[in-house]
Formats: sequence, structure tokens, C-alpha cells
Amino acid sequence: IQLTQSPSSLSASVGDRVTITCRASQGISSYLAWYQQKPGKAPKLLIYAASTLQSGVPSRFSGSGSGTDFTLTISSLQPEDFATYYCQQLNSYSTFGPGTKVDIK
Amino acid sequence: EVQLVESGGGLVQPGRSLRLSCAASGFTFDDYAMHWVRQAPGKGLEWVSGISWNSGSIGYADSVKGRFTISRDNAKNSLYLQMNSLRAEDTALYYCAKVWRVGIQLFDAFDIWGQGTMVTVSS
Repeated sequence: IQLTQSPSSLSASVGDRVTITCRASQGISSYLAWYQQKPGKAPKLLIYAASTLQSGVPSRFSGSGSGTDFTLTISSLQPEDFATYYCQQLNSYSTFGPGTKVDIK
Repeated sequence: EVQLVESGGGLVQPGRSLRLSCAASGFTFDDYAMHWVRQAPGKGLEWVSGISWNSGSIGYADSVKGRFTISRDNAKNSLYLQMNSLRAEDTALYYCAKVWRVGIQLFDAFDIWGQGTMVTVSS
């Protein structure tokens, strides 16, 4: 199963609403997770089962979707949110999307 | 504190072997499936291999199947990755990761990651 993410990068300002899309090459139900990775750090789990917020993750992060189309939304971008975001499917083995880099406008 | 610490990386010639280890602490290791994920320099994440809590289910990415072997020793709270016939394209930072839910056979989101160990394959 292949995952695509769009956009591959975006520039945004603090306070902006940001939406990242992940599309699967075939249906994966809700077996999708989202991660945040900062330079030189391991990935951090944000959302699992497509829409469930991991414990300790701020509520400005949300996920939605099922089947083939998924979104990660940051409702109000904060300085610490500038990072690269990856989706991961867990329906058939596991694959990661190519990533979306969010940087400062 | 829940922690994963990888070791065993280094510089190795193409065609040679290397064994990575991941030491777990702060949780009941034998309750959880474990995985290896790698990241080539400047690139994205690639799932490599996973093993269920009791070693009954194992999976590999096509890119490493037949060359890499995952294993675990629950008595030692340790995960391993034996890498044979290494290629330049295996050069990456290798992370071990824990699934977040107890009792999952193999695949679920990864809630705890180590800091990674770097493998460089070059002559």
C-alpha cells in the first residue's frame, strides 16, 4: 500500500490553520497514524486510528478520514509545531508517507 | 521512565553483516510488539521489520526480506536486528519502536521510539 501526502511542504504563520492530506493507494479503514518529527529527533506519535489523539498531544491537533483519504489539521499553528509530519498505514504491514515539512512563512 | 536505547551501528563494507540491539526499560517488554524503522540521511521514514510479543508473528519490508532477521529476548528486555548482505542503500539511522497497545499481534501505532543508531554501508 502506497501513501501520498500533500503538500510536500508548506509555509505558514503562527496562528494559521494548517491541513495536511494523506491518501492511500487502497482502502485501509482507519488504520492510520500521524507523527511529528523535528530535526535530529525521533518521530512523535500524534494521532492513531485516524482520529484518536495520543495522550499528552495538544488538542489543536486533530485527524479525520477513513478508507483512502485522511487529513491532519492543526487548528492554530504554534512555534513548536514547525516540523515534518508523516502519515503511516497499519492495515497491511506498514508504510509511511513521504512527509510534509511545515516551516515558518 | 519508558525508554528504548539502540546500539550496534557503525561503518561496514558492502556485503558484510551487522547486528543491532535495542534495550527496553520502564515497561513490560513482553507485553508489546516491537518494530525497526529506518531513515536514510535527509529522507523519510521506512518501516523495516516487526515482531509480535511472543515472536509468533514477524514481518519484513520487501527491501530487506531474506537479508535481515528480527528477533527478541524477553528475558533480557531486548530487540535485535541481524543485517546480512548489507548494501549502500541500507545506510540509515535505525530506530526501534514500541506499539502503543498491549497484546497487539504485530501492527499498531508506535508510541515510543529510541534515539536511533546509525548504520553506514560503504567501502
